[in-house]
Amino acid sequence: GENVEQHPSTLSVQEGDSAVIKCTYSDSASNYFPWYKQELGKRPQLIIDIRSNVGEKKDQRIAVTLNKTAKHFSLHITETQPEDSAVYFCALNSGGSNYKLTFGKGTLLTVNP
Amino acid sequence: EADIYQTPRYLVIGTGKKITLECSQTMGHDKMYWYQQDPGMELHLIHYSYGVNSTEKGDLSSESTVSRIRTEHFPLTLESARPSHTSQYLCASSEPPAYEQYFGPGTRLTVT
Repeated sequence: GENVEQHPSTLSVQEGDSAVIKCTYSDSASNYFPWYKQELGKRPQLIIDIRSNVGEKKDQRIAVTLNKTAKHFSLHITETQPEDSAVYFCALNSGGSNYKLTFGKGTLLTVNP
Repeated sequence: EADIYQTPRYLVIGTGKKITLECSQTMGHDKMYWYQQDPGMELHLIHYSYGVNSTEKGDLSSESTVSRIRTEHFPLTLESARPSHTSQYLCASSEPPAYEQYFGPGTRLTVT
């Protein structure tokens, strides 16, 4: 399947700081890029996604940017809060009508009060 | 309420037993998926289905099998459980043209 690399694997920030997680991919046909948040013991939940015809999307404190030329996309969380602590996964499809998603290895974000 | 359900939530079973993990969704989605996930680790697609009577193996090889006889139901079966099958199993669904996948709460399986 499609390869996606996610960095960093762990990230620790102080409350109020910003956090950035980046994913790189190789298949230029990918056109859907979601981010999932998984709290301890809970199911993954979609928090934001972006499609290939858009460069940036924002939802309150969360934003995603996409650089199709460089084949990377990033999750930005501003004014972090302790409840943002979780594992975050990027994902992407393989392009066309392929509805399968390939997930990154995840980033454990810890927001220290 | 439209949702995706998995049972059991936790299962401890001995080696060699046959088990079936249940997944049902009330959202009317055509596409369904099974992922295997070790705690806090990446999700590996092991099976998917694009509709009734359609099943395919995913990117990670698995000894499990699946069936899709009804749109809302996508059970996963292990004929002979082994300790290496110990993991969390997550079911998900989606509906074209949207790509978003919605996950169930998962089944945490322990094989002793």
